[in-house]
Amino acid sequence: GEDVEQSLFLSVREGDSSVINCTYTDSSSTYLYWYKQEPGAGLQLLTYIFSNMDMKQDQRLTVLLNKKDKHLSLRIADTQTGDSAIYFCAEMTARQLTFGSGTQLTVLP
Amino acid sequence: SAVISQKPSRDICQRGTSLTIQCQVDSQVTMMFWYRQQPGQSLTLIATANQGSEATYESGFVIDKFPISRPNLTFSTLTVSNMSPEDSSIYLCSSTMNTEAFFGQGTRLTVV
Repeated sequence: GEDVEQSLFLSVREGDSSVINCTYTDSSSTYLYWYKQEPGAGLQLLTYIFSNMDMKQDQRLTVLLNKKDKHLSLRIADTQTGDSAIYFCAEMTARQLTFGSGTQLTVLP
Repeated sequence: SAVISQKPSRDICQRGTSLTIQCQVDSQVTMMFWYRQQPGQSLTLIATANQGSEATYESGFVIDKFPISRPNLTFSTLTVSNMSPEDSSIYLCSSTMNTEAFFGQGTRLTVV
């Protein structure tokens, strides 16, 4: 079955880079996503990567995918206080979208 | 991409009552998904709704508790029946189009 895991918490200093990691188990995943959820708000799609890619860059965001190890990461460059939120990775298989538990990112001044 | 309008955005309900959540998509979509996000938790899929057929429920969720309607390709409802405080959660509808999964704004339900 599908299982997606993330560490629960990450703290970084403002201006540093943040790296949020995610592992998944289903090798049939087609797309992998990163969503951001701010307090009291819905889910905002940040970026996604197709499963046959190994890297995607979008402004301050870099996604790395190691398909052999089933490991996905999201790097946020020059992290700002506005980046404080919960970040969810999710994998899309033929059947459904499965979410990780979310990583609470706290950006310290 | 598409836009999903979900309502109500929040509600406070008495235990034992039922609440129906509606989602309207601005495009025709094949599948719609209903998720629950309990406080401090990730999203858990409740069921998948296809137009013209009965919804498919995930383990731990049953039709009597969470009846779903899907009368056409742009609309779906989820009812939370006979509510208890344990049903207090955010409920989200979702669909997919091409590479993207998009979500309604969520319904924050508090059962007292």
